[in-house]
Amino acid sequence: QQPVQSPQAVILREGEDAVINCSSSKALYSVHWYRQKHGEAPIFLMILLKGGEQKGHDKISASFNEKKQQSSLYLTASQLSYSGTYFCGTEGSGGSNYKLTFGKGTLLTVNP
Amino acid sequence: GAGVSQTPSNKVTEKGKYVELRCDPISGHTALYWYRQSLGQGPEFLIYFQGTGAADDSGLPNDRFFAVRPEGSVSTLKIQRTERGDSAVYLCASSLESGAKQFFGPGTRLTVL
Repeated sequence: QQPVQSPQAVILREGEDAVINCSSSKALYSVHWYRQKHGEAPIFLMILLKGGEQKGHDKISASFNEKKQQSSLYLTASQLSYSGTYFCGTEGSGGSNYKLTFGKGTLLTVNP
Repeated sequence: GAGVSQTPSNKVTEKGKYVELRCDPISGHTALYWYRQSLGQGPEFLIYFQGTGAADDSGLPNDRFFAVRPEGSVSTLKIQRTERGDSAVYLCASSLESGAKQFFGPGTRLTVL
């Protein structure tokens, strides 16, 4: 089952904050977040494992609520370089700890 | 090389032809994945290798698609009798071990005319 990402698109001014959500209808083992710029390869941001984990990475952080089967990516004080499409990839708790199912992505545009 | 490389970067072929797409993973990475990405969509899982063996090929759409990794390093995705619906960007990724973060290559843009 493909995870659902929201919003589909968001436009920010430099310095503003954004939250991107990723929800699944099935139990999850982990959530992987990637950012992809147009015409380029997806770039890894972070992995969150089940257990209500929260991680931070510069001004980008994320949380994973195992019970709600959802993850949120938080971008604070956005920079122009944050522009791109953000994908969450989910890994089911059924045992296959390698196969990612990606959402359709959230297009983030940061303007000066 | 420093990252995952894929060749060719672009491939234009005619309907019915055979194509091969190559992936060179990061040295030492035992896990290798193939994905397909259509415009406006996230990567769609095709097949996963652990070493030389295909651990899961459940994402391959049909028997026209086949992939190999004979020496546990370079992998080739093979598509027979290509169809226009096969047009997409084919991404390869590798990771140190299964479940670890995946490093993606730049992809091969396949266009079937």
